[in-house]
Amino acid sequence: GENVEQHPSTLSVQEGDSAVIKCTYSDSASNYFPWYKQELGKGPQLIIDIRSNVGEKKDQRIAVTLNKTAKHFSLHITETQPEDSAVYFCAASHNTGNQFYFGTGTSLTVIP
Amino acid sequence: KAGVTQTPRYLIKTRGQQVTLSCSPISGHRSVSWYQQTPGQGLQFLFEYFSETQRNKGNFPGRFSGRQFSNSRSEMNVSTLELGDSALYLCASSSEYTDTQYFGPGTRLTVL
Repeated sequence: GENVEQHPSTLSVQEGDSAVIKCTYSDSASNYFPWYKQELGKGPQLIIDIRSNVGEKKDQRIAVTLNKTAKHFSLHITETQPEDSAVYFCAASHNTGNQFYFGTGTSLTVIP
Repeated sequence: KAGVTQTPRYLIKTRGQQVTLSCSPISGHRSVSWYQQTPGQGLQFLFEYFSETQRNKGNFPGRFSGRQFSNSRSEMNVSTLELGDSALYLCASSSEYTDTQYFGPGTRLTVL
């Protein structure tokens, strides 16, 4: 089955700096890669996603890049704000059975 | 549109008991997936239902079961609870036209 690895497990940045979280996947059949943000006591919230026919996608301060050849994808958050502090999960999926394989999460702390 | 709702939000049970959790998907969504989230194992896929049929199943024992009703609402049941079943149980819904999943707030199950 698919194996998704995520790094780093914790990340602290100063407010205004950029944060980068990286994930690798093992199954070349995976074709959908969402990123979720989870705040304490809440369910994961989709923040951005990318499909395998696209190399990069941006939404305001958030961007995701995908390298299919190397089987890795990254989340980039620019101009970080304290409200960006949360746990971020990457995931990979490749079938209509909607089975997502999740990374182990990155706890991001933005220091004011 | 209302989001994914899960009931109850918190449950305390004792070993050997059984429990039923409920999930109402976003209106119009026919796919419901269930995940177990624990600090040690992260987010793990349990199963996915579409149009009242289980389409996909993760690697969990038969004590974990689910079903989906004609209105797309879903329930999952865990029988003969063990201490290790303590976790946040998340459900996610998606439409039949996309694999994007939207998560509910989860049900926090504690087994004593």
